Amino acid sequence: GIQVEQSPPDLILQEGANSTLRCNFSDSVNNLQWFHQNPWGQLINLFYIPSGTKQNGRLSATTVATERYSLLYISSSQTTDSGVYFCAAETGANNLFFGTGTRLTVIP
Amino acid sequence: NAGVMQNPRHLVRRRGQEARLRCSPMKGHSHVYWYRQLPEEGLKFMVYLQKENIIDESGMPKERFSAEFPKEGPSILRIQQVVRGDSAAYFCASSPGPPGGLSSYNEQFFGPGTRLTVL
Repeated sequence: GIQVEQSPPDLILQEGANSTLRCNFSDSVNNLQWFHQNPWGQLINLFYIPSGTKQNGRLSATTVATERYSLLYISSSQTTDSGVYFCAAETGANNLFFGTGTRLTVIP
Repeated sequence: NAGVMQNPRHLVRRRGQEARLRCSPMKGHSHVYWYRQLPEEGLKFMVYLQKENIIDESGMPKERFSAEFPKEGPSILRIQQVVRGDSAAYFCASSPGPPGGLSSYNEQFFGPGTRLTVL
């Protein structure tokens, strides 16, 4: 299956700071999604972004499919942004392959 | 519009018992997926189903695990004779699937998960 790698594995930010999370994938994708797993374990859909750029409030994402990477930008971080951010990719077999995540801690 | 529903949210079983996990997809979604998350790890695909059909079960252990998505009712993931290594969070996801004209027909939405603890 496709390999999905995320960096950095851990990130600690002061409230108000900006950050960029990276996701590299090893093959062409039909689907690329970003999720936030909150401290209660729930997976929240952030972006469906197999290519291009999208923005939603303080979050935005860009996928450069030809170069096989995606970036998630978080601006003006808040303590509620804490949790684990997962990137997941699908190549046409319908199942998502997840990266190992970036654990974000935002401190007040 | 209710999201993906899973129950129970927490399940405790003793070794050797059976665990049944239920998943109701989002309204209008005909594709269901099950994933397992071990502590401190990402999610791993187990099985992909459509109504009355298993499409891909390549991620599911060959023994003790089975899944179904009947014509009526929720999808069920069944684990027989549970062992301690089965302790994990089990997530269900659904997607609209083609046809429909949606460019995001394969976007998956996840339920809250069932946390299985085997004593």
